[in-house]
Amino acid sequence: AQKITQTQPGMFVQEKEAVTLDCTYDTSDQSYGLFWYKQPSSGEMIFLIYQGSYDEQNATEGRYSLNFQKARKSANLVISASQLGDSAMYFCAMREGYSSASKIIFGSGTRLSIRP
Amino acid sequence: DAGITQSPRHKVTETGTPVTLRCHQTENHRYMYWYRQDPGHGLRLIHYSYGVKDTDKGEVSDGYSVSRSKTEDFLLTLESATSSQTSVYFCAIQEGANTGELFFGEGSRLTVL
Repeated sequence: AQKITQTQPGMFVQEKEAVTLDCTYDTSDQSYGLFWYKQPSSGEMIFLIYQGSYDEQNATEGRYSLNFQKARKSANLVISASQLGDSAMYFCAMREGYSSASKIIFGSGTRLSIRP
Repeated sequence: DAGITQSPRHKVTETGTPVTLRCHQTENHRYMYWYRQDPGHGLRLIHYSYGVKDTDKGEVSDGYSVSRSKTEDFLLTLESATSSQTSVYFCAIQEGANTGELFFGEGSRLTVL
């Protein structure tokens, strides 16, 4: 069965520093997709970045990059030059298979707090 | 972005009463999902749908049923609400053509007394 694990319930980081949020996953499928979402205190869910299991390069989106280590089944989110607005909950998620009909499950999240 | 609305946004009810949450989308997306969010658990999948009348169970489906009689509406029903179902419920549609990322509604906060 698929599973997503985020082992850092909370993190504090100084503004302008880089931060890595950990995510490990478990699946028996060869085809899958990995996602990161941000949830600020206002409550909305914001899609950040996607990595497909067959993508050879790590995904990047602006200050966000996904450190994808397939053999270790990890998909860590790296935020470069953190900003106060990055303070939020961050969720890792996974979809098994390429089929859009596959369910998407989430980890328990990491609360990131940026110190000025 | 797809138009997706959830109703009601807030509801307080008593144990044992039935509750229905509605998710409405305006852009004919095929795949729709219901999640609940609780502290320490993140988002947990309740049910999802891959078309009209096509639904499947998620991780925490006990005590919940769903219906999708038309593309735009996905209903989540608690037949007899319990206090353990107090939560924030999110509906989502699968929007990304290549990546399949989810686009979420604003959430519905349900309190069961």
